[in-house]
Amino acid sequence: GEDVEQSLFLSVREGDSSVINCTYTDSSSTYLYWYKQEPGAGLQLLTYIFSNMDMKQDQRLTVLLNKKDKHLSLRIADTQTGDSAIYFCAREDSYIPTFGRGTSLIVHP
Amino acid sequence: DADVTQTPRNRITKTGKRIMLECSQTKGHDRMYWYRQDPGLGLRLIYYSFDVKDINKGEISDGYSVSRQAQAKFSLSLESAIPNQTALYFCATSDSVVAELFFGEGSRLTVL
Repeated sequence: GEDVEQSLFLSVREGDSSVINCTYTDSSSTYLYWYKQEPGAGLQLLTYIFSNMDMKQDQRLTVLLNKKDKHLSLRIADTQTGDSAIYFCAREDSYIPTFGRGTSLIVHP
Repeated sequence: DADVTQTPRNRITKTGKRIMLECSQTKGHDRMYWYRQDPGLGLRLIYYSFDVKDINKGEISDGYSVSRQAQAKFSLSLESAIPNQTALYFCATSDSVVAELFFGEGSRLTVL
């Protein structure tokens, strides 16, 4: 299987919460990340979590890490149309990030 | 000005041609990377460099080469382009603390 897996699409209504899930195979990562890519642009770091943490909250964003199941999730509260983008999960090993295929988040008015 | 600048932003070329994509950064980072993005495949690492004298192959280095001319410059070459190298290419740099990547805006390459 792939090193980092995530579903390709998620559709939500404006104002609802979005949850994007990611699983990974290698538990040696020091950091795990969520990047956002808007149309026509490069990726930008949204948030990251240190591997010895279970949760990190940053305004509307909540990252949950389940090390036992090698599962990472990103919750976006009160999703807005401006949150429509591709979200990439990534893990880092020896300063080399490996990315998932990206989840396209579509937000309906 | 952008911290990570890629040139050209768009390029159309023919099979067999040599192509160079250039990347320069003003962030002062030692680590630089070249990734390729294809729809539905995410980003795949082509080459990376942790220092001017350090070059390493990534997951998909076949058909590509790189040159680290200075701390701030990292170029990617396709010696003889082929159609399946049509993709969006990203250069990125990394800090030394949390390994956050800072991306350029991408170079879209089409090989006919």
